[in-house]
Amino acid sequence: GENVEQHPSTLSVQEGDSAVIKCTYSDSASNYFPWYKQELGKGPQLIIDIRSNVGEKKDQRIAVTLNKTAKHFSLHITETQPEDSAVYFCAAANNAGNMLTFGGGTRLMVKP
Amino acid sequence: GAVVSQHPSWVICKSGTSVKIECRSLDFQATTMFWYRQFPKQSLMLMATSNEGSKATYEQGVEKDKFLINHASLTLSTLTVTSAHPEDSSFYICSVARQGIRYEQYFGPGTRLTVT
Repeated sequence: GENVEQHPSTLSVQEGDSAVIKCTYSDSASNYFPWYKQELGKGPQLIIDIRSNVGEKKDQRIAVTLNKTAKHFSLHITETQPEDSAVYFCAAANNAGNMLTFGGGTRLMVKP
Repeated sequence: GAVVSQHPSWVICKSGTSVKIECRSLDFQATTMFWYRQFPKQSLMLMATSNEGSKATYEQGVEKDKFLINHASLTLSTLTVTSAHPEDSSFYICSVARQGIRYEQYFGPGTRLTVT
């Protein structure tokens, strides 16, 4: 089955700096890669996703890149703000399995 | 996206009792709903896949007689934790998916269960 590893487990940045979270996956058949933001005591919220036919996707301050050859994908947050502080999860899935496999999560802390 | 609600948002129950958690899809008919459990500072662990009108599919290691799932309509799935023990204390989160696109999941706000 699929295995997703996420790094780092914690990340502390100064407000205004950029944050990068990286994930690797094992199943070359995976073709859908979402990122979720989970605030304390709440459910995960989908913030951006990318499919395997695209190498990069951007939405305002958030971008995701995908390297299918190396089987890794990354979340980039620019101009971080204190409200970006949360736990971020990456995940991977494929059409056949239709199930999401989650990474271990990254706790992002943005210091004002 | 999708709007998903869970009820209750938190519950405290005594050991040996049962507790029911509801998951509702508010803006589309969800043929498939998922139930996850999340322990503090850990990732989400899939417990079971709930299919409308049929039996749920449980992940390995999840006791189907302890965690009863009912998906009686296209907008409602329930998870009942039977004979709860303190080790069942956790954050339970459901998600919904559109027909044919089960990997695009939208999550509910979660239910914090504490068993005393």
